[in-house]
Amino acid sequence: DIQMTQSPSSLSASVGDRVTITCRASQSISRYLNWYQQKPGKAPKLLIHAASSLQSGVPSRFSGIGSGTDFALTISTLQPEDFATYYCQQSFTTPRTFGQGTKLEIK
Amino acid sequence: QVQLQQWGAGLSKPSETLSLTCAVYGGSFTGYYWSWIRQPPGKGLEWIGEIIHSGSTNYNPSLKSRVTISVDTSKNQFSLKLSSVTAADTAVYYCARRFPPYSNIGLRSYFDYWGQGTLVTVSS
Repeated sequence: DIQMTQSPSSLSASVGDRVTITCRASQSISRYLNWYQQKPGKAPKLLIHAASSLQSGVPSRFSGIGSGTDFALTISTLQPEDFATYYCQQSFTTPRTFGQGTKLEIK
Repeated sequence: QVQLQQWGAGLSKPSETLSLTCAVYGGSFTGYYWSWIRQPPGKGLEWIGEIIHSGSTNYNPSLKSRVTISVDTSKNQFSLKLSSVTAADTAVYYCARRFPPYSNIGLRSYFDYWGQGTLVTVSS
């Protein structure tokens, strides 16, 4: 299985901050990397697919970059509704695997 | 608008079989792979497996010996059965659609619609 490792596991930030979450794959996955946002008690929501393609309806303050084994999700200007847990997921092969999550908390 | 609505027993006893069903409303059922994904309390996400309308399946090898995913195209529903459950199977179980359609390998695929989640607790 391809292991996905996110860092940091948790992050404290303030409204208006710029934050970056990274995701590393245990082998090259080209650009087959997706990002999801999950709020407590809710299903994950797709933010970005294919490393950098913004899903329809997702605010432009979210962006993704990367290829091969190293990827990043950036939120340019944090809004109150962005405090949540973020997961990366590889779609290069089965089993489809997720990172362990990064919990973004209010400072 | 695509909606996934799932249901099933919220409590299973150890060694029994967990059973959940997901119904798809809106959009096309045919051509898409429909997945089950689980999340133990306070932990990350684990892909369980998927099925397409023809009945072809892909399973996570770590669960393959205990998992059966089936489909009922007449009702636009698919189901999960997980046998011989233990406390380690306690989790919120989600159903989800994998986009795009007709993508067996799924290189550029992603989960775009999700069910509401069902907490299944395994306890005697």
